[in-house]
Amino acid sequence: DQQVKQNSPSLSVQEGRISILNCDYTNSMFDYFLWYKKYPAEGPTFLISISSIKDKNEDGRFTVFLNKSAKHLSLHIVPSQPGDSAVYFCAACHNFGNEKLTFGTGTRLTIIP
Amino acid sequence: DADVTQTPRNRITKTGKRIMLECSQTKGHDRMYWYRQDPGLGLRLIYYSFDVKDINKGEISDGYSVSRQAQAKFSLSLESAIPNQTALYFCAVLKGTGELFFGEGSRLTVL
Repeated sequence: DQQVKQNSPSLSVQEGRISILNCDYTNSMFDYFLWYKKYPAEGPTFLISISSIKDKNEDGRFTVFLNKSAKHLSLHIVPSQPGDSAVYFCAACHNFGNEKLTFGTGTRLTIIP
Repeated sequence: DADVTQTPRNRITKTGKRIMLECSQTKGHDRMYWYRQDPGLGLRLIYYSFDVKDINKGEISDGYSVSRQAQAKFSLSLESAIPNQTALYFCAVLKGTGELFFGEGSRLTVL
């Protein structure tokens, strides 16, 4: 039972354009959501997060949007840069800081120069 | 940063062998985790520990065991490795800011 789903295994975007990565969840108890980025041969690194009390959080080129009624969140990267090419994992938990993150299956983003 | 070190980084072994993956951290974080990554399945939690005396099973603990020898060390063992345990294994610590900080991973191949 995949509680966090990333339905697009891969995505290609032209450099300079907007990248939109999507994530859906089924567990209504989730109240904190995170995005991690992973390069080959490295561990995942934290990118950005959002609490369920918000619908948007922005950090530089990265913005995460949360639609609680649809149980959907998205990560927007604008403008996309070649260094953004990586696998992106969506993750969710109940009670922020309470350890148990549930991860999605990942989306491989390729930025085309 | 959290400075999480995993050893070995790569290991090839045979079915039935006992394998231990080790994880150490230098920043004194209490909570440590072992995750497994498989293509198309994302990251799945194997075990986690809140402190030396507190060990908890994750969603896929069957076939694995762990040991929290000290606050800084959290080892994952496969008592009798099988081919479907071939995967990339990550250790992580929970930082004070609430995010997980991951090690660089240990790639295990079971033949």
